[in-house]
Amino acid sequence: GQQLNQSPQSMFIQEGEDVSMNCTSSSIFNTWLWYKQDPGEGPVLLIALYKAGELTSNGRLTAQFGITRKDSFLNISASIPSDVGIYFCAGMNYGGSQGNLIFGKGTKLSVKP
Amino acid sequence: NAGVTQTPKFQVLKTGQSMTLQCAQDMNHNSMYWYRQDPGMGLRLIYYSASEGTTDKGEVPNGYNVSRLNKREFSLRLESAAPSQTSVYFCASSTRGTGIDGYTFGSGTRLTVV
Repeated sequence: GQQLNQSPQSMFIQEGEDVSMNCTSSSIFNTWLWYKQDPGEGPVLLIALYKAGELTSNGRLTAQFGITRKDSFLNISASIPSDVGIYFCAGMNYGGSQGNLIFGKGTKLSVKP
Repeated sequence: NAGVTQTPKFQVLKTGQSMTLQCAQDMNHNSMYWYRQDPGMGLRLIYYSASEGTTDKGEVPNGYNVSRLNKREFSLRLESAAPSQTSVYFCASSTRGTGIDGYTFGSGTRLTVV
C-alpha cells in the first residue's frame, strides 16, 4: 500500500528558530494536508494543498506541494512555545467512492523557551 | 458547533470484555472514519463509512466492527478486547469528493486493555 516517509521524527529547537519538516511518498497524491496534534487532543488541520507546485501560507506556517506530487514540506518561522506538538503530513487521492487519507508517522516538535 | 464528539474519553477494559466507542458529528458530513494511534505508528485507518449505509475495512480492521447508525453517528465495537488493542482511538468526518477541506477529528478515546 501507499506509505509516507516523514522526517525528521523529532526536533528540539530554541524559541525563535525556524523549523522545516517534509514528507515523501513512492506514489502520487492529489492532495497534501498538514495537521498538528496537541497533547491529549485530536489532529487539527493546518494547511491543505491541492495543486502540484502550490505554495500556501497560514500565518507563520508555509507549506508546498511538490511538483512531482510525491512530496511536501512544512516550514514554521520564528517558533514559539505553543508550536510544541506532533505534526503529521497526510496524502489523499479523492474522487470515486472514497477519499482516504494516508498519514505519515509524525514529527514531534519541542521548543525550548 | 461541537464538530466531532467522541465518548468515552477514557476506558479501561479487561481482556475479553466488549465495548462500543461512540462518535457523532454535527457538520452534515457524508464520510466518517475510525483511526487508531500508537506511539511511532502515526494514525492507521480501522474502518470507514463513505456514506450512510456503507462501511468498509481500512488498514487494520481485525478485532473491530462498526455501525453507521445514521448520517451523524458512527460507532466502533470491540467484541473481545485484547491488550494489543490498547491505543488512542480517533473518529473523524469529512465531506466527500472534490473540494475537500480535510478531515475533522474528535479529541480521542484512550483505551487500555489489561
